[in-house]
Amino acid sequence: SAVISQKPSRDICQRGTSLTIQCQVDSQVTMMFWYRQQPGQSLTLIATANQGSEATYESGFVIDKFPISRPNLTFSTLTVSNMSPEDSSIYLCSSEVLFGLYGYTFGSGTRLTVV
Amino acid sequence: GQQVMQIPQYQHVQEGEDFTTYCNSSTTLSNIQWYKQRPGGHPVFLIQLVKSGEVKKQKRLTFQFGEAKKNSSLHITATQTTDVGTYFCAGNSGGSNYKLTFGKGTLLTVNP
Repeated sequence: SAVISQKPSRDICQRGTSLTIQCQVDSQVTMMFWYRQQPGQSLTLIATANQGSEATYESGFVIDKFPISRPNLTFSTLTVSNMSPEDSSIYLCSSEVLFGLYGYTFGSGTRLTVV
Repeated sequence: GQQVMQIPQYQHVQEGEDFTTYCNSSTTLSNIQWYKQRPGGHPVFLIQLVKSGEVKKQKRLTFQFGEAKKNSSLHITATQTTDVGTYFCAGNSGGSNYKLTFGKGTLLTVNP
């Protein structure tokens, strides 16, 4: 299955700043997904990112706050913009494996703390 | 929108006891997937169920998909301390939509 390298693994940021999270997949994948997970909670989908098209955002998430890039089939970034303490969370990227036939693989996550 | 309910939220067992977590979707699913997340880790894919009434086994883990493709269960026989973690079900509505809707997860702790 695909392996995703995600970085940074953690960061502490000042409010009002932005952080860009990167995910590199070791094989070409059609779809990548970005999730947010509060500690001890479930995963909430932020957006779906397909190469060559605009990301599709879920209800409650907007492009101005969470701009996403997907320049090729192995890479994606998520930026958390103008951060506030409410943005403190774990952010995870994910990709399908063979169109979901073998499930989805996840990056190791980025633990973000906004102070 | 699609909702996936999962119970129980927590389960504490003695090592050697069995464990079951249940998922129920508000809509019929194309498939359901199960993931395990160890404390401090990321979700790891366990299995995918596609067919109505499907039952799959992985060693001590048994996964079932309901006849109506709206519910599923994960049963662990004779739990071990290595089974500790949060088990999530995730439903997929199919078609060209590959989005997963995750249940809230069941945190399993095992007392040695």
